[in-house]
Amino acid sequence: QKEVEQDPGPLSVPEGAIVSLNCTYSNSAFQYFMWYRQYSRKGPELLMYTYSSGNKEDGRFTAQVDKSSKYISLFIRDSQPSDSATYLCAMSGTSGTYKYIFGTGTRLKVLA
Amino acid sequence: EPEVTQTPSHQVTQMGQEVILRCVPISNHLYFYWYRQILGQKVEFLVSFYNNEISEKSEIFDDQFSVERPDGSNFTLKIRSTKLEDSAMYFCASEAGLAGPADTGELFFGEGSRLTVL
Repeated sequence: QKEVEQDPGPLSVPEGAIVSLNCTYSNSAFQYFMWYRQYSRKGPELLMYTYSSGNKEDGRFTAQVDKSSKYISLFIRDSQPSDSATYLCAMSGTSGTYKYIFGTGTRLKVLA
Repeated sequence: EPEVTQTPSHQVTQMGQEVILRCVPISNHLYFYWYRQILGQKVEFLVSFYNNEISEKSEIFDDQFSVERPDGSNFTLKIRSTKLEDSAMYFCASEAGLAGPADTGELFFGEGSRLTVL
């Protein structure tokens, strides 16, 4: 079983749709969960950061962590064409130590 | 806003040649990383660096790879004898690594250095 699994997509949605992106993981030691957005040929940029279980909201983005199910989600409301990118989940056991494990990334295309 | 900078943005080299990729992490950050991403594949951890030594490395990071922080600002990745399969985008990242509530664990990535081995 892979340590982090993420559906690679591609996922195409119409503008204004709610997008749900998900990752599952196998290592129960993970405590820090992140979502990165990566535009083509660019470095990943952090979107959301969550520690342990729960929800976190930032504008149109909501991150959810369910540690009991080893499942994390990113929701994008009112999706825009500018949201078209690859979304990567990443996680680690303890901050600053040392290795972040990334999912394969889900390619999202928001159609105008 | 502080950022991680990487040079070169693209390097083309012949198989067997040595390559050095350079990174300037965010000032005052304590943890430094190299990741790579082969075209169309996932971002893979190579190595982490803290307090002037390697903290952890992956199985990809074999004897052909080395890292150093020669002058307190630059953080370099050296590939001694490049292979075709080393062709990838190499990302440098840094993390503040502060103890306590200010520590977000956020990795800041550079724009990447694309390495093409012919």
